[in-house]
Amino acid sequence: DSGVTQTPKHLITATGQRVTLRCSPRSGDLSVYWYQQSLDQGLQFLIQYYNGEERAKGNILERFSAQQFPDLHSELNLSSLELGDSALYFCASSNPDRESNTIYFGEGSWLTVV
Amino acid sequence: AQSVAQPEDQVNVAEGNPLTVKCTYSVSGNPYLFWYVQYPNRGLQFLLKYITGDNLVKGSYGFEAEFNKSQTSFHLKKPSALVSDSALYFCAVRDGGTYKYIFGTGTRLKVLA
Repeated sequence: DSGVTQTPKHLITATGQRVTLRCSPRSGDLSVYWYQQSLDQGLQFLIQYYNGEERAKGNILERFSAQQFPDLHSELNLSSLELGDSALYFCASSNPDRESNTIYFGEGSWLTVV
Repeated sequence: AQSVAQPEDQVNVAEGNPLTVKCTYSVSGNPYLFWYVQYPNRGLQFLLKYITGDNLVKGSYGFEAEFNKSQTSFHLKKPSALVSDSALYFCAVRDGGTYKYIFGTGTRLKVLA
């Protein structure tokens, strides 16, 4: 168990809908990362937050947004969903002051858009 | 831009034989390199990392990796493969400037009994 918690584990929704994925980082970790894993795209970096502030942005669509709250949990919001958004969404966390920059992953949230 | 390449989509090895999963990287500055393993329907698990120091890094489950600066490689190795090592392996590099972690495309390791 990495200590990173993601909910929900599985989600099925229709095209055009909006969903929110939630992540609780490891205790003490200030950084949260979001990744998308699909069969044909591998592991794509979406966005990173550090202590509530956006720190790095990757291939995140405009339909997607994220935030990190004062208690350090993070949410990834996906809107106007398309079939191609079906993927496994991972959250990871790290504390640069501890364990030399290793990031630890949650078990992921499976999103199926039908 | 920082990048990693995993040239093999799949590696097959017989149980008991040594295994190598290849990774090459491209970075500006000193590389922070990582290996992760993903079992079916699970998250990525950290195996080992190279930050500085000894070029041979030892990690979890008997895995090790050799950092080679001249060849810009960070190959994952294990002296004797187990069937239970069959999984998807990812190499990653941390971009020191942007704090992004860039992952390779993954190599599927299949250990045959």
